[in-house]
Amino acid sequence: DQQVKQNSPSLSVQEGRISILNCDYTNSMFDYFLWYKKYPAEGPTFLISISSIKDKNEDGRFTVFLNKSAKHLSLHIVPSQPGDSAVYFCAASAGSGGSNYKLTFGKGTLLTVNP
Amino acid sequence: NAGVTQTPKFQVLKTGQSMTLQCAQDMNHNSMYWYRQDPGMGLRLIYYSASEGTTDKGEVPNGYNVSRLNKREFSLRLESAAPSQTSVYFCASRVAADTQYFGPGTRLTVL
Repeated sequence: DQQVKQNSPSLSVQEGRISILNCDYTNSMFDYFLWYKKYPAEGPTFLISISSIKDKNEDGRFTVFLNKSAKHLSLHIVPSQPGDSAVYFCAASAGSGGSNYKLTFGKGTLLTVNP
Repeated sequence: NAGVTQTPKFQVLKTGQSMTLQCAQDMNHNSMYWYRQDPGMGLRLIYYSASEGTTDKGEVPNGYNVSRLNKREFSLRLESAAPSQTSVYFCASRVAADTQYFGPGTRLTVL
């Protein structure tokens, strides 16, 4: 049973436009959500996160929105740049900050930003 | 400050061979994790260590063992490799906040 779902395997956008990556979750115990970015042949790198007590978190060109009632979060990248082309993973945790904290990952979305 | 390092970067094994993947972090993090990434499957947790001296199973532990050697090092062992263990393996670490930091990965092929 997949608790974190990224239903779009891939997304293609033009440079300068907005990229919107979506993520849905089923576990109502999740209280912390993260986005990771992964380039080929490298490890995932942390991008941005949001606690369940917030509905929006912004960091430069990246904004994450959380809709708890819909169990949905999205990552907005504005403006998109060719260097943003990568696989983006959505991840979630329950009982954040605890010693046995674990992340559950989605399957990832490949973003391609065309010049 | 190298962050999380993993060795080797690449490895080819024959079915039935054993090997140990090494992971070390220099960030003084308490928790460490081993994941595998397979095409179309995302990242799946194999084992984790919440603190030095403790280890626990994750989502896909079968066929693996781990050792938390000290606070810095967390190794993953395949006792008898199988083709189904062909994957990219990532080690990660975390301090108190919720963000995990990942190593560069080990690409393992089992023939």
